[in-house]
Amino acid sequence: NAGVMQNPRHLVRRRGQEARLRCSPMKGHSHVYWYRQLPEEGLKFMVYLQKENIIDESGMPKERFSAEFPKEGPSILRIQQVVRGDSAAYFCASSSTAAETQYFGPGTRLLVL
Amino acid sequence: QQQVKQSPQSLIVQKGGISIINCAYENTAFDYFPWYQQFPGKGPALLIAIRPDVSEKKEGRFTISFNKSAKQFSLHIMDSQPGDSATYFCAVSRRALTFGSGTRLQVQP
Repeated sequence: NAGVMQNPRHLVRRRGQEARLRCSPMKGHSHVYWYRQLPEEGLKFMVYLQKENIIDESGMPKERFSAEFPKEGPSILRIQQVVRGDSAAYFCASSSTAAETQYFGPGTRLLVL
Repeated sequence: QQQVKQSPQSLIVQKGGISIINCAYENTAFDYFPWYQQFPGKGPALLIAIRPDVSEKKEGRFTISFNKSAKQFSLHIMDSQPGDSATYFCAVSRRALTFGSGTRLQVQP
């Protein structure tokens, strides 16, 4: 039973480019959460999605960031026109219901040059 | 607004000793209190979790103590081992997780 999968594991972008981060939840999980971890800091919630729906995006920056979780395929976190301050580790977690334990993926480490 | 305060920021313990990490929260609406362990370059892994209807939960060498009235909970690692050296995060949840700032634990052999 594979865990949460994220790809790519490492991503390098130049300022102004787009970054696409993918997350495949654990089998049977329909709830996906995205978190961002800046160097030497804790994780900060960004967005919570269920299949085809954004449930809570209160932690997501209002501009340049978007997320989706289509009926088929992985969840995507998209960052447009990246800036150096976007450099961080982005983690995806999934759960079977909203009240259950969240299991984390290995993360995508984004570096913006 | 910092909803979860975690202390200490770093902790050094001798092998076989007890590691204690504390967290305090502000919002009484939270109903799930997990602890995650994170090794460098890895994602957080659930260690142990508790719900507010119990005051203590033990799993192997790991124990959570929960004080609902004080809005505090703590992680105790008994017989600490060098392999426990990692960063530990407490979190609170109603839906999305709100994490503490982390405690870097170093267990010396």
